Amino acid sequence: QGHLVQAGAEVKKPGSSVRVSCKASADTLKNYGVSWVRETPGLGLEWLGRIIPFLGMTTYAPKFQGRVTLTADTPTRTINMDLSSLRSEDTATYYCARADCTGNRCYFLHWGQGTLVIVSS
Amino acid sequence: DIQMTQSPSFLSAFLGERVNITCRASLRITQSLNWYQHKRGTAPKLLIFAASTLQSGVSSRFSGSGSGADFTLTISSLQPEDSATYYCQQSNSPPFTFGPGTMLEIK
Repeated sequence: QGHLVQAGAEVKKPGSSVRVSCKASADTLKNYGVSWVRETPGLGLEWLGRIIPFLGMTTYAPKFQGRVTLTADTPTRTINMDLSSLRSEDTATYYCARADCTGNRCYFLHWGQGTLVIVSS
Repeated sequence: DIQMTQSPSFLSAFLGERVNITCRASLRITQSLNWYQHKRGTAPKLLIFAASTLQSGVSSRFSGSGSGADFTLTISSLQPEDSATYYCQQSNSPPFTFGPGTMLEIK
């Protein structure tokens, strides 16, 4: 039920935008928040933002505010991350991750397999 | 935002050895601290949540401790498969920041 599925890779030009998608179970969309995390060789893991589909709530990291938009499409069970004004430093593997909680302690137990985004002219 | 630091950034240790990785938060976060293992080409793997709770299925050679702002991940009896980068992450409040990572090499 926590399974998350992502597509393989994207190549984009600087200044353009990218949409990375994450397919989840209906249970995930109804009951959990989903975050996006990226991994770059220089900076390690970075948290970009979170969407809680059943609350219609999004929260973004200040570093990415204004450039990242998270949406959820319930009929297709897809969570999308749009990142705009791409630059070379955005070259990274982007993961979606479900937030599971025990009491009020939450953690990322289920992860997508990652989508490599390459930004290059 | 809560900033996370880790030390050391790189660690080289022998098979069978015991190692500690420390993580410090810029604010007190009670026990809202998670540890992940990341190997290139795969998704991060949850090892410890709530500072000291071992995730089901994870080897008991991994343990976590700490509360407030200072935390430690201990790996006992190192095995070849422990070669990876280890990250702490605070889940106290968004943005849910990660530490910069500790790269562990097994000699």
